[in-house]
Amino acid sequence: TQLLEQSPQFLSIQEGENLTVYCNSSSVFSSLQWYRQEPGEGPVLLVTVVTGGEVKKLKRLTFQFGDARKDSSLHITAAQPGDTGLYLCAGASGSARQLTFGSGTQLTVLP
Amino acid sequence: DADVTQTPRNRITKTGKRIMLECSQTKGHDRMYWYRQDPGLGLRLIYYSFDVKDINKGEISDGYSVSRQAQAKFSLSLESAIPNQTALYFCATRTSGGTDTQYFGPGTRLTVL
Repeated sequence: TQLLEQSPQFLSIQEGENLTVYCNSSSVFSSLQWYRQEPGEGPVLLVTVVTGGEVKKLKRLTFQFGDARKDSSLHITAAQPGDTGLYLCAGASGSARQLTFGSGTQLTVLP
Repeated sequence: DADVTQTPRNRITKTGKRIMLECSQTKGHDRMYWYRQDPGLGLRLIYYSFDVKDINKGEISDGYSVSRQAQAKFSLSLESAIPNQTALYFCATRTSGGTDTQYFGPGTRLTVL
């Protein structure tokens, strides 16, 4: 079973601060996805990274895929209360490209 | 209307009861998945199906069964519910081609007393 270790598990910060969430594994993934989940809803895709070393930006969110395609990070600049939610990383692997999910990071941005 | 729907949204049941959770999708995707979410454990795969005649076990299939009645429908059954099956259950779909993106339903909160 492939494992994705996500850290930190909980993060509470003030509005305007920056933060980084990490997703690490000893396994190689064909792609790495980041999802965001709100209470009472299912996860919604934020971004998919495919190439080792790839960096993608989505407004104040920057996603990076490690060179070896084993790890990824999500950096949020100037966090806002609307960024509050559960952030999940998920790696695709195998011929069926099944997703292995990290345990999630619960982010709270205080006004 | 939502592309992936799940019924019921909430269910409270007793130990030993048979429970069925249903999932329907209008996205036309061929692949469907059932996940379980527990605090601090992320989402774990229970079963998945690539087609109407295709059923595959995931990481935690014991105590669960599934049925793919049509391309758009995928149901999850707990034959005899037990308290440690209390969790959030999510259905997801994806297309066989293109990206690995999965589209999730809103979830079912199941409590087994």
